[in-house]
Amino acid sequence: GENVEQHPSTLSVQEGDSAVIKCTYSDSASNYFPWYKQELGKRPQLIIDIRSNVGEKKDQRIAVTLNKTAKHFSLHITETQPEDSAVYFCAASYYGQNFVFGPGTRLSVLP
Amino acid sequence: EPEVTQTPSHQVTQMGQEVILRCVPISNHLYFYWYRQILGQKVEFLVSFYNNEISEKSEIFDDQFSVERPDGSNFTLKIRSTKLEDSAMYFCASSEAVGSAQPQHFGDGTRLSIL
Repeated sequence: GENVEQHPSTLSVQEGDSAVIKCTYSDSASNYFPWYKQELGKRPQLIIDIRSNVGEKKDQRIAVTLNKTAKHFSLHITETQPEDSAVYFCAASYYGQNFVFGPGTRLSVLP
Repeated sequence: EPEVTQTPSHQVTQMGQEVILRCVPISNHLYFYWYRQILGQKVEFLVSFYNNEISEKSEIFDDQFSVERPDGSNFTLKIRSTKLEDSAMYFCASSEAVGSAQPQHFGDGTRLSIL
């Protein structure tokens, strides 16, 4: 089955700096890759997603890149703000079916 | 914006008892999911449900678990003979479709505490 790894497990950045979180997946059939942000005690919230027919997608300060050959995808957050502090989970799935999540990255944005 | 709603927000149960967690998916969504998140760990898939039957389930979803859509709006997860290790946050999610890789929208979760 699918296995998703995520690095780093924790990340601290200064406000205004960029943050990059990387995920790798094992199943080449996976074709849908969402990223979720989870604040303490809250639901996972979708922040961006990418499908395998696209190499990059951007939404304001957030971007995701996908390398199908290497089977990895990355989340990029620019101009980080304190409210970006949360746990970020990547996931991989086949056509949006059951998600296999990575172990999460705890991002701390220091003012 | 429509949301997935879950009740109760917190359930405390004695070990060995049965619990039912309830979810109301987004109204035009066709696919429903249950996930589990043990404190401090990643979100784990339990089961997916479509057209009134289970479409896929994980190894975690054994005979202790069952799901049901008792009416046109609710989607429930039943856990029989609860164990201490069932303590976790349980999230319900729904998506509009699968074939076009639609995102899954999560509810706020039910925190299950087994004593």
